[in-house]
Amino acid sequence: GQQLNQSPQSMFIQEGEDVSMNCTSSSIFNTWLWYKQDPGEGPVLLIALYKAGELTSNGRLTAQFGITRKDSFLNISASIPSDVGIYFCAGRIQGAQKLVFGQGTRLTINP
Amino acid sequence: DTGVSQDPRHKITKRGQNVTFRCDPISEHNRLYWYRQTLGQGPEFLTYFQNEAQLEKSRLLSDRFSAERPKGSFSTLEIQRTEQGDSAMYLCASSFPNSPLHFGNGTRLTVT
Repeated sequence: GQQLNQSPQSMFIQEGEDVSMNCTSSSIFNTWLWYKQDPGEGPVLLIALYKAGELTSNGRLTAQFGITRKDSFLNISASIPSDVGIYFCAGRIQGAQKLVFGQGTRLTINP
Repeated sequence: DTGVSQDPRHKITKRGQNVTFRCDPISEHNRLYWYRQTLGQGPEFLTYFQNEAQLEKSRLLSDRFSAERPKGSFSTLEIQRTEQGDSAMYLCASSFPNSPLHFGNGTRLTVT
């Protein structure tokens, strides 16, 4: 089945730093989504991408749909304490309805 | 938009018992999904419904698992004869077709 490789698995940064994480696959996806999950809660949608090459921002977050349709990245600028959590990429292949998730990137911020 | 609601939030049960979880999706959404998430992993797809029809089931959904969405609104997920390996967070999500999934806060199951 389709697998998403998400990296890094964890990040320890200082408040105010920029963050970058990515997701790759051997399969072609027609939708990429980025979610954030806080402890004890469900994933919350951050950004949705639908076209190869698309670059979309949501406040301090920016995500891109890779040209090859096999990867995506998420950047967070000027991190703040509430950015702490686990970030998941998710993708949907052509004709499928289910989302496949990466393993997550755990972000820790030192004040 | 009241969001996706799941009940209960936590369930502790003894091995061999049956458990049932409920999910109330966002009312306008006709697609409803069940996922399972274990510690340190991303959510794994179990099954999804379009209205009341169950259109896809994962191989993870063994014979002990059954999901229903009888009237195309709320859904239930039942696990029979629970095993310790069933301990996980069970997430429900809903969506419009080809749109992002909106997740509930999950039911955390602990099998002792």
